[in-house]
Amino acid sequence: ELKVEQNPLFLSMQEGKNYTIYCNYSTTSDRLYWYRQDPGKSLESLFVLLSNGAVKQEGRLMASLDTKARLSTLHITAAVHDLSATYFCAVDSTGANSKLTFGKGITLSVRP
Amino acid sequence: ETGVTQSPTHLIKTRGQQVTLRCSSQSGHNTVSWYQQALGQGPQFIFQYYREEENGRGNFPPRFSGLQFPNYSSELNVNALELDDSALYLCASSLVGVVHGYTFGSGTRLTVV
Repeated sequence: ELKVEQNPLFLSMQEGKNYTIYCNYSTTSDRLYWYRQDPGKSLESLFVLLSNGAVKQEGRLMASLDTKARLSTLHITAAVHDLSATYFCAVDSTGANSKLTFGKGITLSVRP
Repeated sequence: ETGVTQSPTHLIKTRGQQVTLRCSSQSGHNTVSWYQQALGQGPQFIFQYYREEENGRGNFPPRFSGLQFPNYSSELNVNALELDDSALYLCASSLVGVVHGYTFGSGTRLTVV
C-alpha cells in the first residue's frame, strides 16, 4: 500500500526567510503533485512533477522530484504572508486504476 | 473551458439518512474521482468512474456508491449516514491516457448531526 509522508506537519516561517518542506513516499511512482489548500477551500494545483529530476518553479515556490529517493521537496524563497496555507503532496499510483494518495499536509504560517 | 462543478456546497443531514452529491466534470475529461477529506486530514480516495463504471475503489464501505453518466458527470451516494461521514467531499476530473493532472471541484461540505 502506497504511503505518503510529509514533514514537518506545521511550520512557522518568518517573512523573508527561505524554507524547504519534504514529501516522502513508499513505492515506485513518477507522478507527484503539489496542492495548496486555504481554510475551508478546495485544492489548488501548484505543480505536476512527472519524471525523475523534474524541477518546476512558480513565483517563490520551487518543487523537485527524486524518484530514486522517493522524495519531493518544496522550496520557499523569501516567505511572504500570502503563502500561509496547507500544502499537500499527492502521489499517483501507476497502472490502470490511477488514484491519488495524499500526505497529511503541511500547514505553513508566515509571521512578520 | 469550464471547470469542475460540485453541488450542493454545504449540506446538513441527520445520522441514518441518505445523501447524494453531484459533480460535473471539466470539459474534455472522461474520468471522475471522489475523495473524502476529514477535518485536519489529507483527502482519501473513495472511488473513480470511467466509462460509467467503477474503476478503482478505496477503503470505503459499500454504503458509499456512485454513478457516472454519459456526459461524464457523476454522483456520490452515501447511505445510512454516520457522524464520521462529516467531511469535505471533493470531486476531481481527469482524462484517461493523458498525464497532466486532476482538476478538483470546490467541494461539498457535509455535516452529519
